[in-house]
Parts: sequence; C-alpha cells; structure tokens
Amino acid sequence: DSGVTQTPKHLITATGQRVTLRCSPRSGDLSVYWYQQSLDQGLQFLIHYYNGEERAKGNILERFSAQQFPDLHSELNLSSLELGDSALYFCASSPLAGVDNEQFFGPGTRLTVL
Amino acid sequence: AQTVTQSQPEMSVQEAETVTLSCTYDTSENNYYLFWYKQPPSRQMILVIRQEAYKQQNATENRFSVNFQKAAKSFSLKISDSQLGDTAMYFCAFMKRVGYGGSQGNLIFGKGTKLSVKP
Repeated sequence: DSGVTQTPKHLITATGQRVTLRCSPRSGDLSVYWYQQSLDQGLQFLIHYYNGEERAKGNILERFSAQQFPDLHSELNLSSLELGDSALYFCASSPLAGVDNEQFFGPGTRLTVL
Repeated sequence: AQTVTQSQPEMSVQEAETVTLSCTYDTSENNYYLFWYKQPPSRQMILVIRQEAYKQQNATENRFSVNFQKAAKSFSLKISDSQLGDTAMYFCAFMKRVGYGGSQGNLIFGKGTKLSVKP
C-alpha cells in the first residue's frame, strides 16, 4: 500500500458524459501528478500540481482539467468523454516539487467509456 | 523532448535464472534520473530501482541491478534469481533534473516489457 488513495476504482460511463476522479496523496506530500495508461498511448503524464498550484502540463486534452484543493487532495475532471478516453488513470504523490523524490502511485481508476 | 524506448515487448525466464531488460533513452539533458517501475497484474505501479545520471556507480537493490551507460544512453535492468512474483510489466522511466536538487517532476515512460517467470 503506497498510501495514495484513488476513488472510484472503476467507472463506467457513456460518450459525451463528464466524470471526476479523486486522488488523496500520502500524508504530508505536497505534489500530485496525474498519468493516463492506455493500450495505444502507454503511460503518459497529464498534469502536476504542487501545494495547490499547477506546475507542469503534459499531454492533457483541453477537455480534461484538474485542481488541487487546500487539503491537498486532487481531482481530475474529464468532460465530453470519447471512447478513446477509456484508460487507467493514476495519480502519484511526492513530498516536494523541487526535490528528486520517488513518486508513490495510487491504485488507479479504470475508466470505461461506452 | 525526451523519449524512452524498450525494444523487448515480451520476455520470459525460468525461475531462479537471470534476465536482462533493455532500455534506451534520448535526451539532450545532462542531469536526470532513470527508474524502473514494476506493474504486476494488480496494476499497482511499484518502484524497483532508481539511478542518478551523475553517479557512475550502477544502482543495486537486492536481486535487481542496472547497467547504466550514459554515453550510450542505455539503462538495462538485470533481475537475478528470478522469482514467480517477478512476473509483471516493467517500465523504464526518465525524469529531468532541474537545478540543484530539483527535478522536472514528471516521469516519461517507455512502452514496457512484459516479463513472465516460468516455474
């Protein structure tokens, strides 16, 4: 158990819908990263938040957005869902943005878009 | 932009034997970190081993060791005395280091190598 929690574990929805994935980092970790794992694209970095502020963006679609709240949990919002958005979404946390620490991964949320 | 390539989509090894997984990367950066992550069937991402590019000594963690060749941009993982529990997807990953003690933060992953350990 990494100490990072993600809810829900599974999510099944239809095209065009909007969903919210939630991530609670390890106690004391200020950084949260979101990654998408799909069969065709592999593991891709989406976005990084540190202590409530966006720090870096990767291959994140405009239909996707994220935020980190004062209690440090983070949410990834996916809207206008398409079949190709079906994937496993991981969040990871680490203690500090500027330090080369290990990223601890949550168990992931499996999103299925029908 | 950095890229990570794992040229072996699948590999298998007999229990107790040794196997080496290959990884090459492309970067113009001089300061960075390299990682091997393991993803068993449970889908949990688990850090196996980490290498700082500025360190010449290859990292080791129990049965896991790396062969880091910076000039060749190669970072292979050797698993000794393979165990059934080593069966998993293995991902090589790159992280840029920014400034003294800093890092870009995000990991860039290869496509992975599926390792099967046979009894």
